[in-house]
Amino acid sequence: GESVGLHLPTLSVQEGDNSIINCAYSNSASDYFIWYKQESGKGPQFIIDIRSNMDKRQGQRVTVLLNKTVKHLSLQIAATQPGDSAVYFCAENGDSSYKLIFGSGTRLLVRP
Amino acid sequence: DSGVTQTPKHLITATGQRVTLRCSPRSGDLSVYWYQQSLDQGLQFLIQYYNGEERAKGNILERFSAQQFPDLHSELNLSSLELGDSALYFCASSVGSGRGHEQFFGPGTRLTVL
Repeated sequence: GESVGLHLPTLSVQEGDNSIINCAYSNSASDYFIWYKQESGKGPQFIIDIRSNMDKRQGQRVTVLLNKTVKHLSLQIAATQPGDSAVYFCAENGDSSYKLIFGSGTRLLVRP
Repeated sequence: DSGVTQTPKHLITATGQRVTLRCSPRSGDLSVYWYQQSLDQGLQFLIQYYNGEERAKGNILERFSAQQFPDLHSELNLSSLELGDSALYFCASSVGSGRGHEQFFGPGTRLTVL
């Protein structure tokens, strides 16, 4: 079957430190992955995406790493800020149905 | 602001009732997706429409239906409501229909069934 999951349900980091949020996927046919951020009371907000022909992609303060060998995806946030506190979801869009399959989410808490 | 709008923001109704949720996609987007987010199941894909036609179906109950109109807005109809249907319902839109298209999410409709 296909599934996308997260190792850590809650991550607490000190303001200014780097954060790493991990995600595992099981569908080897997946070729597009997305990270979303969801703040309380809001819809998921696109952060960064990566296609399977890449193993790293950088945005503003964020980096996504893809390891296809072990089917692992990670989101790195540099110099974490209080505004980064939210639930982060990974999602894959790899099957023919064009749907997004979301992981269960990781809550990021930033300590002042 | 993603550019996707959803109404109403909140909806409180009773079991057995029927409700309609509305979504307007971003300007230029042809695809609309509906998702359900409940506490115990996370974000679950329900259904996708592309330019007025149903394109993909997920775990959508038979009591639920959707459509996309010629102006590309979409409605999700939920009938014979049960307590377990209480959830956040999100609409997302994208330019295309296939893999690799970023989906932009609306603010959601919070449905409470009493």
